[in-house]
Amino acid sequence: GENVEQHPSTLSVQEGDSAVIKCTYSDSASNYFPWYKQELGKRPQLIIDIRSNVGEKKDQRIAVTLNKTAKHFSLHITETQPEDSAVYFCAAGGIPTFGRGTSLIVHP
Amino acid sequence: GAVVSQHPSWVICKSGTSVKIECRSLDFQATTMFWYRQFPKQSLMLMATSNEGSKATYEQGVEKDKFLINHASLTLSTLTVTSAHPEDSSFYICSAYGQGDSPLHFGNGTRLTVT
Repeated sequence: GENVEQHPSTLSVQEGDSAVIKCTYSDSASNYFPWYKQELGKRPQLIIDIRSNVGEKKDQRIAVTLNKTAKHFSLHITETQPEDSAVYFCAAGGIPTFGRGTSLIVHP
Repeated sequence: GAVVSQHPSWVICKSGTSVKIECRSLDFQATTMFWYRQFPKQSLMLMATSNEGSKATYEQGVEKDKFLINHASLTLSTLTVTSAHPEDSSFYICSAYGQGDSPLHFGNGTRLTVT
């Protein structure tokens, strides 16, 4: 089955800085890579996703890059704001396997 | 579109009792739904894939006789935790894909506490 590794487990940045979260996956057949944001006690919310026929996707301050050869993908958040503080999960596959999550803390 | 509704949002039950959690797709039909479990400060772990009209597919290590899944219609899947014990206390969350290339959408989740 799919195995997803996510780093770092915690990330602390100052408001306005950029944040990068990285994930690797094991199944070369996976072709769908979503990113979710989860606030405490709430459901995961999709923030961006990418499919294997695309190398990069951007939505305002959020971008995702995918390297299928190396089997890794990354989430980039620019100009971070305190409301970006949450746990972020990467996932891979049609029946998503989730990474362990990254707790992002943005200090005002 | 692609709204997934889950009920109840939280439940407290005594050890040994059973609890049923419902997951509904409100504006689309879902032949497949996924049930995840999340312990505090941990990731979402897939428990089983619920298939409309057929048996669910359980992940390794998940007891099918303890976590009963029924997917009797294209809009409803239920998860019943039978003979619940304190170690079953967790956040249970269902999900489903919408139509076409719609991403995976999650229900609100159910916080189960077994005393």
